This record gives sequence, C-alpha cells and structure tokens, in this order.
Amino acid sequence: DAGITQSPRHKVTETGTPVTLRCHQTENHRYMYWYRQDPGHGLRLIHYSYGVKDTDKGEVSDGYSVSRSKTEDFLLTLESATSSQTSVYFCAISEMGGVNTEAFFGQGTRLTVV
Amino acid sequence: KQEVTQIPAALSVPEGENLVLNCSFTDSAIYNLQWFRQDPGKGLTSLLLIQSSQREQTSGRLNASLDKSSGRSTLYIAASQPGDSATYLCAVRWGGNDMRFGAGTRLTVKP
Repeated sequence: DAGITQSPRHKVTETGTPVTLRCHQTENHRYMYWYRQDPGHGLRLIHYSYGVKDTDKGEVSDGYSVSRSKTEDFLLTLESATSSQTSVYFCAISEMGGVNTEAFFGQGTRLTVV
Repeated sequence: KQEVTQIPAALSVPEGENLVLNCSFTDSAIYNLQWFRQDPGKGLTSLLLIQSSQREQTSGRLNASLDKSSGRSTLYIAASQPGDSATYLCAVRWGGNDMRFGAGTRLTVKP
C-alpha cells in the first residue's frame, strides 16, 4: 500500500467552525490531491498540488483552501464549515502528472458538520 | 462535457462466474484510465492503469481493455470469488490533473 495517512479519520464539527484535514505521504510523490465523495455525485476533485507551495483549484473548490509547505504534507481547510461539506474526504498522490500517472488513495476522513 | 458512466450500478453473480464491468466516457482524447476497487468504509485501491496508447492490461484474474474510439473500457474478472465483492470505480484522465470518476458498479459475488 502507498504510504498515505489521513488525519483525523473521523470528525464531527459544528457549523461555522474551522476544520483542517491533514494528508501525509511517505512516497515523495510530487502531486497530491483532495477529493470528496458523496452519494449521487461520486468522487470530485477539490484542490490539488503539483509541488511545494504550488496548488490549483479543482471542480468543487468553493469553501475550501489548501496549503503545502512540505512535500509530504497537504492540508485541506474548511474556513467556516457548512452542512453541505459533510462528506468523506480522500487524499490521493501521484508521482507525476500525465499519461503515466497512477493515483493512490488514502483511507479517507469522514467529516460530519452539524 | 467530459463524463464517465458505469453501467450497471449493481451486479450480483454466483461464485465462479466470469464477469465484465463496463465504463464509458465522452471525448476519446484521454491520457489514461484507471480502475479502482473500494470496500465499504475504505479508501480506493488501484487495480489497473491503462495508458492512452495501450489496448489492455492484466493483473492476475483481472483484465482491463480500452477502446478509445468507442469511448469504452471493460474490466473482466475471471472466476469470481466472494472476496471480489466491492464497488469498482473507473476514472479517466483527460489531461491537466483532474481524474473524472464514474459512479461505480457495486459487485456482489454469492458463495
């Protein structure tokens, strides 16, 4: 298994509070991604990073921010959590972008906003 | 719009049967296609990656094919086992850094 650790694995938070999810990798892969998985919508990309301090938006980036200060860590922050952000969040990594890119996923973080 | 569709949404087969899972995609200009397995409450496990220049990939009892011109990929599972029960997801990369996922096929293999 690819060395990807997500923390926390489960979290319940109140509407309006800030939340940070962490993804840590031991593979030294350049690319890191945050996805959310929802019934009826499948997996959708929130943000991704292609290097330290290099990030870009995905399909559903509104309400989320990210940071990557080290190769191994990619943080996802919900500045003010809303009930619509209740979801399962997955971190993924890949060595490079493009044709040869194989993505590997973490175990997920289940976030409930009440 | 670039979309990925998986049909059927659910499939139930008896143990030992060979089966095919389908994935279709709009826009044939793909970079690659990746098949994943997801067990309930778990993350995604990569099964096979097919690059745009390839027609098929094999791993053990699994064989994935790619036909870009028709916008289709199939995942063939030989001699299915109860342990193969899971949701199978197809993901397509068209370029850039976004993978688009299908909704998945939930497979149940009955003993």
